[in-house]
Amino acid sequence: EAQVTQNPRYLITVTGKKLTVTCSQNMNHEYMSWYRQDPGLGLRQIYYSMNVEVTDKGDVPEGYKVSRKEKRNFPLILESPSPNQTSLYFCASSLVPGGLYNEQFFGPGTRLTVL
Amino acid sequence: QKEVEQNSGPLSVPEGAIASLNCTYSDRGSQSFFWYRQYSGKSPELIMFIYSNGDKEDGRFTAQLNKASQYVSLLIRDSQPSDSATYLCALRFSGGYNKLIFGAGTRLAVHP
Repeated sequence: EAQVTQNPRYLITVTGKKLTVTCSQNMNHEYMSWYRQDPGLGLRQIYYSMNVEVTDKGDVPEGYKVSRKEKRNFPLILESPSPNQTSLYFCASSLVPGGLYNEQFFGPGTRLTVL
Repeated sequence: QKEVEQNSGPLSVPEGAIASLNCTYSDRGSQSFFWYRQYSGKSPELIMFIYSNGDKEDGRFTAQLNKASQYVSLLIRDSQPSDSATYLCALRFSGGYNKLIFGAGTRLAVHP
């Protein structure tokens, strides 16, 4: 089954404790992206990756890191989480964009709480 | 001004009615527009895509685009309780690489 997976799905942690949220896709997509979703603000892009070893900042990159060593994986790293990073996180992937249409497929989400 | 604006709702409609969801945007260079549906606690799923002015129909869903007015809408005919969800309007930002800009979403409630 074609899908984007994320782990963990739920995480409660404390301020300053480094954590990694994994994201993996099995659709051979070049493009991957991380979003956070907060009430009233919609989905905001954190980082994206056009292909292996190429990543760039989105709109809200502060406090996050990413890496793209393999095409299928795109982990999100919080080196020193803070309470304002409490949010619902989504990973998404799509084919190399071309033309007008390029659907992004979303993972199931990771609900993170930082105390 | 937000780049993509939606009324947060909730929009409440009776079963069988037409639900009309609206979205305005500020990026005049955007060419592609998307409607995603998101059930509570779930991930967004694409339901409609449009890039030409006018209407595009797919089953009970019709997307409408008016680039001159910078306006996108989604009509859901014969609304069902299972359509109750948050609908996210998104555009492919002209200034970014494959970047989607999302509105905050409109919550739709279809009551029996």
